[in-house]
Order: sequence, then C-alpha cells, then structure tokens
Amino acid sequence: QVQLVESGGGLVKPGGSLRLSCAASGFTFSDSYMSWIRQAPGKGLECISHISNAGSNIYYADSVKGRFTISRDNANNSLYLQMNSLRAEDTAVYYCARHNYDILIPPRYGMDVWGQGTTVTVAS
Amino acid sequence: DIQMTQSPSSLSASVGDRVTITCRASQTISSYLNWYQQKPGKAPKLLIYAASSLQSGVPSRFRGSGSGTDFSLTISSLQPEDFATYYCQQSFSKSYTFGQGTKLEI
Repeated sequence: QVQLVESGGGLVKPGGSLRLSCAASGFTFSDSYMSWIRQAPGKGLECISHISNAGSNIYYADSVKGRFTISRDNANNSLYLQMNSLRAEDTAVYYCARHNYDILIPPRYGMDVWGQGTTVTVAS
Repeated sequence: DIQMTQSPSSLSASVGDRVTITCRASQTISSYLNWYQQKPGKAPKLLIYAASSLQSGVPSRFRGSGSGTDFSLTISSLQPEDFATYYCQQSFSKSYTFGQGTKLEI
C-alpha cells in the first residue's frame, strides 16, 4: 500500500546534527513532490521544506534556511532532511508528506499521504 | 508571508450536530485552501483540497467552501470519529502556511 515511513529522529544537544529519512513505497516516488512538515509539542503545523520530483525546485522556511538541507534519492525511493546547528526550538515531530498531483510547481492541492512522524528533541 | 487565522480555536459539540469552522487568509489565495484532520498522536489527514474538492475516501458529510480570503469547513452530522483538531492550509504561496487549528471536542 501507499506508505511513507520516517526514521532518524532522536535526542541531540543544541548545535548538533541529525539526518532524517523518509522511505516511500506503493507509489511512483520519482513522480512525487515531497515536503517535510513539523509540529512542536502541543503546537500547530509548519511546512519547513519541500522539493520537486527531480530535485530542481527546493524551498526552505526562514526558520530553517541555512541550517537544514532537503534531498531525495529517487532510485531508492527516499527523502532526506539534513539538520545542522539544531536549536531547542527545532524540537518537534517531523513528518514527510506527498503532495497531490498537480501540473504546476509547487503543487496546489494539498498533501495526501503522510508518514507517522519521527520525534526530534534538542536538549542539553 | 500569508497568515491563516482559524476560528474558533476550540468548539464543543455533540454527535449529530452540524458544525462550521472558518479560516481567513491575510491576502487573497484564490481557491488554494486545504483542510486537514488530525487526531492525537497521528499524522494529519487531507479532507478537502482546492477549497471544496473532497479528497478520495473522505465522507461526504465534510464540505468545504469559500474563495479569496474567507473559507469554511462544515461537518453536516458529527460522528464520534470526527472529534479531532482541524487545520486549514493555504497552497497559493510556497510557504504552505497552516492555520493554528480548531479543536473539536465532545
């Protein structure tokens, strides 16, 4: 079935790094626009980065620009988020999500498949 | 950046009630507005895209409407499984900003 599975979360000290992975299955990953969305404890949703199917269009929210890097490996159906210079305010559940198909980039029709999330805790 | 404001922030209702949640954008977003449902400890689920299009598999009691800056999500007859937090999201700009959420409680 159509599925996204995140991994790589954990406890890290401020200033440290983590690499999140998102494994896709059940659909043509190389055709899919993908995003990372995070949710701080008890808070709302924030889309922090997204990437086009070929990786040529990339967006970062100001809150992570210069510290996080999104990438993808279409041969291995995987999405990544390299997180450097982590701060306490990066503590959150991180979700990867697939966008509904759209002929335009970036897509306009919402995120129809989500992973279960992976928890990142930044604390000393 | 486009700001999304939902109201109310929380709402108490009963099974069988009709409820409406509203979402306002800080600038016009045409019809590029999506609605999600999130239950505790779970990922969000897409309910409505492009303001009024029902995502596949979503019950028809969910209805979205609006355009420009003002949007609404109506649940026509609440079911026990509908008690959750609802988020709107704009997809007019690539920031894909979400509203702050509306918690629907029994």
